[in-house]
Amino acid sequence: EVQLVESGGGLVQPGRSLRLSCAASGFTFDDYAMHWVRQAPGKGLEWVSGINWNSGSIGYADSVKGRFTISRDNAKNSLYLQMNSLRAEDTALYYCAKDRTSGYDSIDYWGQGTLVTVSS
Amino acid sequence: QSALTQPRSVSGSPGQSVTISCTGTSSDVGGYNYVSWYQQHPGKAPKLMIYDVSKRPSGVPDRFSGSKSGNTASLTISGLQAEDETDYYCCSYAGRYTLIFGGGTKLTVL
Repeated sequence: EVQLVESGGGLVQPGRSLRLSCAASGFTFDDYAMHWVRQAPGKGLEWVSGINWNSGSIGYADSVKGRFTISRDNAKNSLYLQMNSLRAEDTALYYCAKDRTSGYDSIDYWGQGTLVTVSS
Repeated sequence: QSALTQPRSVSGSPGQSVTISCTGTSSDVGGYNYVSWYQQHPGKAPKLMIYDVSKRPSGVPDRFSGSKSGNTASLTISGLQAEDETDYYCCSYAGRYTLIFGGGTKLTVL
């Protein structure tokens, strides 16, 4: 059974940093691309960042480019999102998500999310 | 990177069919056959309903179908059921290792 478990969310002041982690199990982690997708309270889904199976193809939404960094450790079956210079508009539930392929196709499994609140 | 355009809401009666549109550009929807659709019930994680424009994952009822014409993709739900009432999102590959979602559509079953 595929499981994606996010951690690292919490309350943080504007301008500070936070690192999200995602522990994956139930599938061969290094065969698939992974993504972070967020959802602000009461709003729609927003793709944040993606990374292919070997970290050779990485992309970011314009809204986070230059502030967020995605990475993965295939030996640890883990995905990460380093978030710097956080803003109030980054407040959202952050989902770790598995791509259906090794590249960028569609998302077939989602975690339950970790809530990030940026507020003073 | 502007969100794909979806109608805010659609509605239909039980047993009827509804179609949700998803309009992008030649740089996303029109440029790639990597359009997917997600169903999201309140408080739950999204669920993949359609991938690669028109393919259904195992376990998704064949009442759900997808298509694309030019820069617009569509999700059609036939034989509407009460349990279909919720939010739906489209998503497309947008080049340069990026994905883009639509703003979401709330489906009401009358």
